[in-house]
Amino acid sequence: NAGVTQTPKFRVLKTGQSMTLLCAQDMNHEYMYWYRQDPGMGLRLIHYSVGEGTTAKGEVPDGYNVSRLKKQNFLLGLESAAPSQTSVYFCASSETESAPQHFGDGTRLSIL
Amino acid sequence: GQNIDQPTEMTATEGAIVQINCTYQTSGFNGLFWYQQHAGEAPTFLSYNVLDGLEEKGRFSSFLSRSKGYSYLLLKELQMKDSASYLCAVRDSNYQLIWGAGTKLIIKP
Repeated sequence: NAGVTQTPKFRVLKTGQSMTLLCAQDMNHEYMYWYRQDPGMGLRLIHYSVGEGTTAKGEVPDGYNVSRLKKQNFLLGLESAAPSQTSVYFCASSETESAPQHFGDGTRLSIL
Repeated sequence: GQNIDQPTEMTATEGAIVQINCTYQTSGFNGLFWYQQHAGEAPTFLSYNVLDGLEEKGRFSSFLSRSKGYSYLLLKELQMKDSASYLCAVRDSNYQLIWGAGTKLIIKP
């Protein structure tokens, strides 16, 4: 079972460049989430979606945009990358609001 | 503000028992999760507590006291593969997960 798949796994960007991280899940989950994980800190929620066509801001949304055009896909965009956005990005999905979240393997992003 | 506290690092011996504590202060409470995360990998779900008491699942158990804002994860019969970070997360009144920074558990032979 694929579960939650993130692409790419690694990426290096220059300051000011843009890119899109893709998350795909094959579990027919309604809820999807984007987190960032930084050393010494807990996972922080960037944006989330409660269903196809919906998105909402999390704890740290500035500098990121998201789209959920299809139920199985959740895209995270960086319009103008900054060094402060160097992090490991995790996508997760859950069947319901209260169900455990299933995570992808992460995208390691470095902004130079 | 919302806060989840866990020890940064713990060391234990193979075959022994270890208890990882988590204290929380959040705006509302709708459940507490424990996840395991091996270095360079994704977090994976271990346990869920929403009512006070102990939940047992094989070698792992998790305890919750809502009045004290406290939980622990108990790992028995430690194996080398249990070396990982253990993340505590609380679902707040908005049903969003607030995550602790994680406890890195080192298992020695």
